[in-house]
Amino acid sequence: DAGVIQSPRHEVTEMGQEVTLRCKPISGHNSLFWYRQTMMRGLELLIYFNNNVPIDDSGMPEDRFSAKMPNASFSTLKIQPSEPRDSAVYFCASSPVTAGNTIYFGEGSWLTVV
Amino acid sequence: RKEVEQDPGPFNVPEGATVAFNCTYSNSASQSFFWYRQDCRKEPKLLMSVYSSGNEDGRFTAQLNRASQYISLLIRDSKLSDSATYLCVPKGGNTGNQFYFGTGTSLTVIP
Repeated sequence: DAGVIQSPRHEVTEMGQEVTLRCKPISGHNSLFWYRQTMMRGLELLIYFNNNVPIDDSGMPEDRFSAKMPNASFSTLKIQPSEPRDSAVYFCASSPVTAGNTIYFGEGSWLTVV
Repeated sequence: RKEVEQDPGPFNVPEGATVAFNCTYSNSASQSFFWYRQDCRKEPKLLMSVYSSGNEDGRFTAQLNRASQYISLLIRDSKLSDSATYLCVPKGGNTGNQFYFGTGTSLTVIP
């Protein structure tokens, strides 16, 4: 079975440019999560969706970040304009909404803003 | 206050040693608990769930103390392949489906 698929795997961009990260969750999973990981702060939950609806976006750092989930099989995380401090690994994860369910991660998008 | 607190380590242990990791969580409403493992430059992957009565999976034993909001992981007979970062993950939050990750505990098993 296909896992969570993220693209791009690696991106290097210049400060001020728009960055769009993409995610395809595991088929049948109702919840989708975006996390950011840095050495200093570990894995931070940015936003999560249930049935394509954003439930908690309190982790989104600021207005430069936005996330959408137009359908059950696709989500985007956009940064505009990007800044060097946004450099991190961005993980997308999905989970079925059942008691005791666990969460499955994609391989991550490694973003470097120069 | 952080949702999850873990000793970052690093723990450097010889092969065959027993090592224990601890974790505390702040949300008393958390309902499910997990340990994840993350290898260098890889995504986190589920190691095991943690049940109230404690549970074992081969060389790995997990314990949960709800009263103290404390989770532990014990690894017996450490192998070189156990070298990784171990993440404590309570699940809960206001909507019940948020997974909170600690910063992880780094383990290196030395030959």
